[in-house]
Amino acid sequence: DAKTTQPPSMDCAEGRAANLPCNHSTISGNEYVYWYRQIHSQGPQYIIHGLKNNETNEMASLIITEDRKSSTLILPHATLRDTAVYYCIVLIIQGAQKLVFGQGTRLTINP
Amino acid sequence: NAGVTQTPKFQVLKTGQSMTLQCAQDMNHEYMSWYRQDPGMGLRLIHYSVGAGITDQGEVPNGYNVSRSTTEDFPLRLLSAAPSQTSVYFCASTDGTAYEQYFGPGTRLTVT
Repeated sequence: DAKTTQPPSMDCAEGRAANLPCNHSTISGNEYVYWYRQIHSQGPQYIIHGLKNNETNEMASLIITEDRKSSTLILPHATLRDTAVYYCIVLIIQGAQKLVFGQGTRLTINP
Repeated sequence: NAGVTQTPKFQVLKTGQSMTLQCAQDMNHEYMSWYRQDPGMGLRLIHYSVGAGITDQGEVPNGYNVSRSTTEDFPLRLLSAAPSQTSVYFCASTDGTAYEQYFGPGTRLTVT
């Protein structure tokens, strides 16, 4: 599975868009980009995933660059409840039950 | 649906004791996994199962045993607890599409 690089921490003001970057320069053609988050000691929560097209759901948007070497998770209107550690994970979909977590980005939403 | 449930929520063991962490899911998911999370770290995969009767090792399997006799249950056994196994343990399940994993609330284990 490709390695990912994320900033260790970020801050965002409540109500603004939170943009979380992830670098995955060694991603291969059949690897997906998954995003999970973990809110203070709870079990991780799935957010979104994508292969090469941009994706949007009720929680977030995922923007993947054309060369697929990086991506950005966008929380359009961040709330205090979005304060969490966000994990970007790259893997083939057949192995998606075997998640490999890095350090993630600790996102703090400030009032 | 209750989703993924784990028991107990908290446990303290003495070195050398054995115990079983329970995990159950009511979503009829084929795939189930166990992860551990040490302070300030991401989760690491211990063991996983792709169906009843089928299990395999993850990244950190030593000191742990698993079995999968039913689709619903995936217990994790510590045969002889060690202080290095002090951690928070998460169980997860997913269906065959493998789009997302559902995680339980975790078991916080302390080994003294």
